[in-house]
Parts: sequence; structure tokens; C-alpha cells
Amino acid sequence: SQELEQSPQSLIVQEGKNLTINCTSSKTLYGLYWYKQKYGEGLIFLMMLQKGGEEKSHEKITAKLDEKKQQSSLHITASQPSHAGIYLCGALLPKSGTYKYIFGTGTRLKVLA
Amino acid sequence: EADIYQTPRYLVIGTGKKITLECSQTMGHDKMYWYQQDPGMELHLIHYSYGVNSTEKGDLSSESTVSRIRTEHFPLTLESARPSHTSQYLCASSGRGVFQPQHFGDGTRLSIL
Repeated sequence: SQELEQSPQSLIVQEGKNLTINCTSSKTLYGLYWYKQKYGEGLIFLMMLQKGGEEKSHEKITAKLDEKKQQSSLHITASQPSHAGIYLCGALLPKSGTYKYIFGTGTRLKVLA
Repeated sequence: EADIYQTPRYLVIGTGKKITLECSQTMGHDKMYWYQQDPGMELHLIHYSYGVNSTEKGDLSSESTVSRIRTEHFPLTLESARPSHTSQYLCASSGRGVFQPQHFGDGTRLSIL
């Protein structure tokens, strides 16, 4: 089973609409990272969350880490075509006395002009 | 702005050839990683290094090998390419500290004929 689940898997929205992407872990998160990827390219780091309840913003993108530190949401306000791409969450999860860095399966976002 | 570079960006080559994918970073990061990603699919860690002369295999079995002779350089080698090696290969690095985010190169899209 996937340790880091993202929902939805894909999303098509009209330009100007708001949207939310979720990232859920079955274990406590020790660090949660959001990335954006354009098709065929590398990942661009957006922001990192560590503390439960933490919220960060980057331009029109806001991410939150919930109090129980097992879920994060990424919210885009007034979406634009430039927001289109694949959004991936990455997380540090405990494994065998250390940490393992894993990624979610991604959410593919399309914004219609 | 992350400074991590991968070459070549695209490579189409015949079966049986030896291939080296280059990855260099100018940030002085100790940790470096190689991921394999098929189109629209999740990232799979195939190799990582926590410093010079330190290399480990990742979660996904791979026929490739890596070396880390210098901090800034982490090349990946396929001794004899096969069509099953066709994929995108992403290199990443992260700084000291457990919670540092990974920064990615633009990737190498490899096609084996």
C-alpha cells in the first residue's frame, strides 16, 4: 500500500477557481515537502512544513500541516494556467530507527483558460 | 535557486551500450540521490549517497551503479543498456540536517532502442 496518498489523482479547473490537493500519511510526518513538476522535467521545491498546525504561502499557493501531523493540504487561490503541472508531496517517515524520504503519487492539475 | 545539473537531457541509444548519466551540484550538499520515474508515475529511489565514498542502493532494484568520488559529482552508469532501462532519471541533493528538502535537476530522459 502507498505510504503517502495524494488526492485527487487529477484535477481540471477553470482559470480563476480555487482548488485543494491533499496528502495523507499512515504514519506521523516529521517533515512534509511540496513540489511541482512539469511533464518531462525535474521537481521544483515549493515549501516545507514541519510543525503541526504550520501554514506557509508562496505567491497564491498555501500549504498547511494538520495538528496530528499526518495530513497536509495545498490550496491554490484564483488558479492560472501557469499553475498547471504535477504536484507531489514528499515526506520524512520513520523507518528502522532513522528516517526515510518518500514521495506521493502526484496530482496532475490542468487549468483551463 | 537550486544549482544541480544533469547531462544529457535526452539520450536515445542502442541496446548493449554503456551509458553514464552525469549529475553535478554546486551547493556543497553532502547528500545526493538518483530516482527513476516513468511518465505519470511515482518516483523510485535507486541510489543515494551521504558523502564522498559512500553509496547505497535504494528501494527499487536497479542494474545501474553509482560513484561518489567528489562531493559535487554523482554519476550513474549502466554497463549494458536494455529497453527496460527506458525511463526518466532524476538526480537530487540535500544539505546537512535531517529536514533539509531535496533539490532536483531537470532530469535525463533515456530511451533504449
